[in-house]
Amino acid sequence: EVVMMQSPATLSVSPGERATLFCRANESVSNSVSWYQQKPGQAPRLLMYGVYIRATGIPARFSGSGSGTEFSLTISSLQSEDAATYYCQQYKKWPPLTFGGGTKVEI
Amino acid sequence: QVQLVESGGVLVKPGESLRLSCAASGFNFGDFYMGWIRQAPGKGLEWISYMTVSGTSIYYADSVKGRFTISRDNGKNLLFLQMDSLTADDTAVYYCARDWRASGWFDSWGQGTLVTVSS
Repeated sequence: EVVMMQSPATLSVSPGERATLFCRANESVSNSVSWYQQKPGQAPRLLMYGVYIRATGIPARFSGSGSGTEFSLTISSLQSEDAATYYCQQYKKWPPLTFGGGTKVEI
Repeated sequence: QVQLVESGGVLVKPGESLRLSCAASGFNFGDFYMGWIRQAPGKGLEWISYMTVSGTSIYYADSVKGRFTISRDNGKNLLFLQMDSLTADDTAVYYCARDWRASGWFDSWGQGTLVTVSS
């Protein structure tokens, strides 16, 4: 099973600042990584797939990078509405599909 | 507009069974692979099941294999999750989700339905 590990668990950032979230796989998943945003009481929302492809309607301040085992999600200029928990997911080697434990972004 | 609406979540006792439904609208349900993902209270996301359009491929997480059964009715735009032998560890919000490109990632999610297993 591919294990996805996210860091940090919590990230406190001021509005307008840049935030970088990390996701590491215990074996190579090529570029088969997606990212989701989940706000309290809401369902997850797809942000990125294929590491760096933004989903429909996702603002350009969100960007993804990485390949193999190391991935990151960057929010270039944090807005108050970006406060959420972010999850990475791999879909290279499955089943099972696996998610990281999440990074909570506090603003 | 893509819409997924889960239902069926309730309070049940350990050992009991429950069937969840997910009603799809706004897209051609019969063209998309679908999955179930759950989230225990205060915890992260856990994928639990997935099926292709015709059901020729069905997958389960080890945590639910042999106890849960995924199915679908393409004519009625419905996805189901039959859950048997429930335990407290199955307490979670259950989401159905659409796999847009049959790749294993999910572009649309329902709002979730809460299943509580407690005596």
